[in-house]
Amino acid sequence: DAGITQSPRHKVTETGTPVTLRCHQTENHRYMYWYRQDPGHGLRLIHYSYGVKDTDKGEVSDGYSVSRSKTEDFLLTLESATSSQTSVYFCAISAEGSGNTIYFGEGSWLTVV
Amino acid sequence: KQEVTQIPAALSVPEGENLVLNCSFTDSAIYNLQWFRQDPGKGLTSLLLIQSSQREQTSGRLNASLDKSSGRSTLYIAASQPGDSATYLCAVGKTSGSRLTFGEGTQLTVNP
Repeated sequence: DAGITQSPRHKVTETGTPVTLRCHQTENHRYMYWYRQDPGHGLRLIHYSYGVKDTDKGEVSDGYSVSRSKTEDFLLTLESATSSQTSVYFCAISAEGSGNTIYFGEGSWLTVV
Repeated sequence: KQEVTQIPAALSVPEGENLVLNCSFTDSAIYNLQWFRQDPGKGLTSLLLIQSSQREQTSGRLNASLDKSSGRSTLYIAASQPGDSATYLCAVGKTSGSRLTFGEGTQLTVNP
């Protein structure tokens, strides 16, 4: 299994509060991604990173920001959580030149009440 | 915008049956296509990766084919087992770096 750790795994938070999810990898892979998974929508890309301090938006980036100050860590921040951000969040990684096989973390379940 | 569709949404089969899961995509200009398995409450596990220049990939009882021109891929599972019960997702990559577009998946149940 790829060395990907997401934290926290489960969180309940109140509307309007900031939330940060952390993804940590031990594989030294270049690319890191944050997806959310919702019934009826499947998995959708929020943000991704192609290197330290290099990030870009995905298809559902509104309300989210990311940071990558080290190769191994990719943080996803909800500046002011809303109920529509209740979801399961998956971090993923892939290596350059690997054929782009992508490896997923176990997920972080976030409930905004 | 790329759209990925998986049919059927759910499938229930008896153990031992051979089965085919379907995936279609609207933009044939893809870099690769991947099939994943997801167990309840878990992350996704990559099963097979097909590059755009390839026609198929095989791993054990699994065979995935790709017809880029028609925008289709199939995942063939031979001699299905109850342990194959899971949701199977396909995803297409537009460029290197794996910004993937996912289908919603097919939920497979293999009955003993």
